Amino acid sequence: QKEVEQNSGPLSVPEGAIASLNCTYSDRGSQSFFWYRQYSGKSPELIMFIYSNGDKEDGRFTAQLNKASQYVSLLIRDSQPSDSATYLCAVRGTGGGNKLTFGTGTQLKVEL
Amino acid sequence: EAGVAQSPRYKIIEKRQSVAFWCNPISGHATLYWYQQILGQGPKLLIQFQNNGVVDDSQLPKDRFSAERLKGVDSTLKIQPAKLEDSAVYLCASSLAGMTGYGYTFGSGTRLTVV
Repeated sequence: QKEVEQNSGPLSVPEGAIASLNCTYSDRGSQSFFWYRQYSGKSPELIMFIYSNGDKEDGRFTAQLNKASQYVSLLIRDSQPSDSATYLCAVRGTGGGNKLTFGTGTQLKVEL
Repeated sequence: EAGVAQSPRYKIIEKRQSVAFWCNPISGHATLYWYQQILGQGPKLLIQFQNNGVVDDSQLPKDRFSAERLKGVDSTLKIQPAKLEDSAVYLCASSLAGMTGYGYTFGSGTRLTVV
């Protein structure tokens, strides 16, 4: 079982719709969860982090965490073509140091 | 605040040659990470430094990869000899020590192509 799993996509949504990106993790003791956005040919950029169960909203982005189900998701409201990118889920586990373990990413395409 | 600086941006080498990448973290960031990102995959941690000490190098292929951070600031990652499967983007990231609740900032990366 991979430590952090994501559907690779591509996930296609029409402009203005809600995009829902999902991630599951295997380390039940994980404390912090992150979403990075990566445009093609660019480095990952942090967009959200969450460490309490429930929802956390920041503009058009909402991160949702359910530790009992070991599940974290990212919702993007009013999707724009500029949101088209790969979204990487990252988890800080219980091992030493502050390292993040990344999933393989979900490619999102927002269509006009 | 200046970001994480990396060089070179691109490098093409032949297999069995050696190559080195350089990273300068954000000022004051004690923790420095080197990640490898193969096309279509998520970043994989190669090595983590806290100041000039190694915290985690469990996934570093030590027969060919080496890294150092001698003065606790900038860092160098070396591959010798390179293999075709080393073709990837090498990302450097840094964070403040002890800031476990936050993610970290990546540099622009070095894209390595081994032919």
